[in-house]
Amino acid sequence: EIVMTQSPATLSVSPGERATLSCRASQTVSSNLAWYQQKPGQAPRLLIYGASTRATGIPARFSGSGSGTDFTLTISSLQSEDFAVYYCHQYNNRLQTFGQGTKVEIK
Amino acid sequence: EVQLVQSGAEVQKPGESLRISCKASGYTFTREWIGWVRQMPGKGLDWMGIVFPGDSETRYSPSFQGQVTISADKSINTAYLQWNDLKASDTGMYYCVRLTSGFLGEWGQGTLVTVSS
Repeated sequence: EIVMTQSPATLSVSPGERATLSCRASQTVSSNLAWYQQKPGQAPRLLIYGASTRATGIPARFSGSGSGTDFTLTISSLQSEDFAVYYCHQYNNRLQTFGQGTKVEIK
Repeated sequence: EVQLVQSGAEVQKPGESLRISCKASGYTFTREWIGWVRQMPGKGLDWMGIVFPGDSETRYSPSFQGQVTISADKSINTAYLQWNDLKASDTGMYYCVRLTSGFLGEWGQGTLVTVSS
């Protein structure tokens, strides 16, 4: 099983600031990495797939980068609606796995 | 528009059986994998397994293999998640997901399962 490790567990950021979230895989997942956003009481929503491709309707302030084992999700200027939990997900392997999540909270 | 509409919340007792459903629309059901993700209360996401409705092939996470059954009925575009012996530890929110080239492009609204005596 590929273990996905996200850091930090919690990120405190002021509105308008930049947020950088990390995700590391225990072995290579090539570019088969997605990011999801989950707000309280809602289902997760796809943000990024293929490590760096924004899903339909996702604002340009969200960007993804990386390949192999190290990935980053960057939110360039946090808006109030961006405070949520973010999960990375590898789908390179028949057994897909998620990271444990990073909570982005208001500083 | 792709939609995944899940069945309603359930309250069951330990040892009981349960099947929850996910009705898909807006795409060709038999051509794409569909699966289930668990979220225990206050916790993260757990990938459970998937089914290919075209031929009913399934893949399970080792953590869920033998604990649940994932299936699909292509005649009514519906996927299922079934338990034969519920435990309190099965309490959680269960999401139906559509796989698009592997990633989880669409999610159902979730089905809350509560197992309590």
